[in-house]
Amino acid sequence: DAGVTQSPTHLIKTRGQQVTLRCSPISGHKSVSWYQQVLGQGPQFIFQYYEKEERGRGNFPDRFSARQFPNYSSELNVNALLLGDSALYLCASSFTSVGTDTQYFGPGTRLTVL
Amino acid sequence: AQSVTQLDSQVPVFEEAPVELRCNYSSSVSVYLFWYVQYPNQGLQLLLKYLSGSTLVESINGFEAEFNKSQTSFHLRKPSVHISDTAEYFCAVTERSNDYKLSFGAGTTVTVRA
Repeated sequence: DAGVTQSPTHLIKTRGQQVTLRCSPISGHKSVSWYQQVLGQGPQFIFQYYEKEERGRGNFPDRFSARQFPNYSSELNVNALLLGDSALYLCASSFTSVGTDTQYFGPGTRLTVL
Repeated sequence: AQSVTQLDSQVPVFEEAPVELRCNYSSSVSVYLFWYVQYPNQGLQLLLKYLSGSTLVESINGFEAEFNKSQTSFHLRKPSVHISDTAEYFCAVTERSNDYKLSFGAGTTVTVRA
């Protein structure tokens, strides 16, 4: 079975632009979470979606938004990009939204903001 | 809100020597605890997790971690490391009452030398 897939792999944007990152969960998984990993730090939680509803949101500004589609894939949107948004963006999927469920991570999208 | 501190950012170790990676967490409520590993050029993978029951949990590749509630710690150990254990290790916590959010430590890079 395919793991969590993310696209694109790498992305270069300039300040002020908008970006959309995509994630396809493992087949059968209904929960998708997004994390931001800045170089030298651990991943920081951004959002969790379960059954197309937002279940939780981390401490990120409103420039960050996400949605989940009927096929459980997800998009993360970031508006008005800042230099500090440069990071590896990770998507993780799990069968349910329960904290005991293992989260399976994708390889990430490397975003560089110039 | 929960937080995680990994006390060592870099741990160099010789092959077949033991290793211990220290993790302390802060939370006012009951938690679930995790160790994730990121091998070079690969995504995050779950190594082991503590949910309840026995405070000593083991992975399939010889790692073990012990939950110590009084010390709020979840240290990871392996009695004899291999070159293939070279990776970055992340400790993570989620609160049982808000279990949609994983909070990660900053990571510990383990470099195993022959």
